[in-house]
Amino acid sequence: DGGITQSPKYLFRKEGQNVTLSCEQNLNHDAMYWYRQDPGQGLRLIYYSQIVNDFQKGDIAEGYSVSREKKESFPLTVTSAQKNPTAFYLCASSNPGAPVSEQYFGPGTRLTVT
Amino acid sequence: EDQVTQSPEALRLQEGESSSLNCSYTVSGLRGLFWYRQDPGKGPEFLFTLYSAGEEKEKERLKATLTKKESFLHITAPKPEDSATYLCAVQEVGGGADGLTFGKGTHLIIQP
Repeated sequence: DGGITQSPKYLFRKEGQNVTLSCEQNLNHDAMYWYRQDPGQGLRLIYYSQIVNDFQKGDIAEGYSVSREKKESFPLTVTSAQKNPTAFYLCASSNPGAPVSEQYFGPGTRLTVT
Repeated sequence: EDQVTQSPEALRLQEGESSSLNCSYTVSGLRGLFWYRQDPGKGPEFLFTLYSAGEEKEKERLKATLTKKESFLHITAPKPEDSATYLCAVQEVGGGADGLTFGKGTHLIIQP
């Protein structure tokens, strides 16, 4: 079955540590995205990538970094510079070559930093 | 100013009691409007894409409609399993793969 996987489902870290969240897709989609979801707020875009070895900052990129070395993979690193890292992180992918490109989401990773 | 506003924030209905959720948007050019369903602790599940005013799409007890300024998600004779948060998102003309702009969602509870 095609889909998006994110791991781990839950992640706990101490303040000051960097942490990397995994996202893999087998939908053969060119574009991949990272969003952050906080209670009472809409999903906010962190980074996106339209093609391998290229990515752009979204609305809230500060304190985060990404890489896109393979079409299938788009890992997100939450660095110690991110002031409020505790959140639910969602990865998505789409086929932007289509006239209108809906995004498909993974199951999410809940990160707790104490 | 929010580009996508959903109302109400929360809605509690009895099983079988039909209602509508609203999504209003203020983007300059709409490329597409999307509805998602999200269960607690899970990723959003894609429901519908609407492209132009007057368009309607249906899936089981759900029907989505679109005007030039807003979209409605109508739920007919809902069941408890329809309880979830419903998210609306828009993609602007020229947005390409720049990501979607989401509303904050409507938390729907269907009581048996």
